[in-house]
Amino acid sequence: QSVLTQPPSTSGTPGQRVTISCSGSSSNIKINTVTWYQQLPGTAPKLLIYSTNQRPSGVPDRFSGSKSGTSASLAISGLQSEDEADYYCAAWDDRLDGLYVFGTGTKVTVL
Amino acid sequence: QVQLQESGPGLVKPSETLSLTCTVSGGSIISSDYYWGWIRQPPGKGLEWVGTIYYSGSTYYHPSLNGRLAMSVDTSRNQFSLKLSSVSAADTAVYFCARTRVYPTTAGNNYFFDTWGQGTLVTVSS
Repeated sequence: QSVLTQPPSTSGTPGQRVTISCSGSSSNIKINTVTWYQQLPGTAPKLLIYSTNQRPSGVPDRFSGSKSGTSASLAISGLQSEDEADYYCAAWDDRLDGLYVFGTGTKVTVL
Repeated sequence: QVQLQESGPGLVKPSETLSLTCTVSGGSIISSDYYWGWIRQPPGKGLEWVGTIYYSGSTYYHPSLNGRLAMSVDTSRNQFSLKLSSVSAADTAVYFCARTRVYPTTAGNNYFFDTWGQGTLVTVSS
């Protein structure tokens, strides 16, 4: 099962700001960088944020990432209808020989 | 622009071996900057890392799959592959291949999938 915990869902109206939390531990988020992926319905995930707070080319600056201690957050400001998707956090976990762990996922609904 | 494409059987019988190949186009699989990975997603559920391979053949597997999983790379064909043995219904999922960036930073290990294939559904059923 996932070791990074996210809220199952969140929602907002167009233009609003929403945040998604990602709770981890001292073996993953606390000591490694965090990645966020966006998965639109029926498609492959897309890299949204890497290195905790960096946006790949082409990702709007409405999306921002941060972390503090064993938790991370993704903020979407100026919510748009096309932002309706599933969002996953992820990080390398240093337990055992190491493994990559994903969050449980959060469904964002634009009302 | 690099693209990845998964291929393989969509139906596998329980206890048999699931085999998938990922073909990389638009770039070489031989790169010091990238690793190559597999991720799966059971229907209606979240993402799970399966494993990662470097062009040299070094592999990193999810601990829960160790013993059943084998990954390989064919640099001449610009492909990498996955074999998962003794499958059960729990292995039914969409399997994605992805290009992976792995590098250390002062803020910890940076590890992420920057380019994904479209995914292929593998159903385990008799």
